[in-house]
Amino acid sequence: DAGVTQSPTHLIKTRGQQVTLRCSPISGHKSVSWYQQVLGQGPQFIFQYYEKEERGRGNFPDRFSARQFPNYSSELNVNALLLGDSALYLCASSLGLAGGTQYFGPGTRLLVL
Amino acid sequence: DQQVKQNSPSLSVQEGRISILNCDYTNSMFDYFLWYKKYPAEGPTFLISISSIKDKNEDGRFTVFLNKSAKHLSLHIVPSQPGDSAVYFCAASALKAAGNKLTFGGGTRVLVKP
Repeated sequence: DAGVTQSPTHLIKTRGQQVTLRCSPISGHKSVSWYQQVLGQGPQFIFQYYEKEERGRGNFPDRFSARQFPNYSSELNVNALLLGDSALYLCASSLGLAGGTQYFGPGTRLLVL
Repeated sequence: DQQVKQNSPSLSVQEGRISILNCDYTNSMFDYFLWYKKYPAEGPTFLISISSIKDKNEDGRFTVFLNKSAKHLSLHIVPSQPGDSAVYFCAASALKAAGNKLTFGGGTRVLVKP
């Protein structure tokens, strides 16, 4: 069975640009969460989506947005990129809304120059 | 405000010996705890979890212990193998809260020497 997939694997952008990252959850999983991992730190929660609705939001500015599609895949958008947005962006899927184990994809490494 | 802390940034252990990783938390609403292993250039891989209604959970070489009164959990790996060399993260969530947000510690880098 395929695990969580993310695309692209790597991305280089310049300050002020916009970026879209994509995630496909494990088949049958309806919840997708996004995390940002800066070098040397643990992942930080950005969003959770369940049944196409936002169900949780971390402490990130409005430049960060996301959505979930009817097939449960998800996109994370970041506008007006800053140097500090350089990080590994991780997507995790889980079966339901609350509780249960989250399974992570390989991540998208974003570098902002 | 770090709600989940892993106070040891690194750990070195001989192959075949026990690795003990520690994690402390401050939020009393946390009731579900997980350990993930992460290799470079990969996403975190789920290892083992424990609910707050238990104080121990075992899966093969991995055992997680939870001390609710001390707000402390630990992961024991016995015996340690060279392939266990990775960064280990503990994470916590509040099952009754809306959503499924995981709060992670900063990680402990484990090196298993042959």
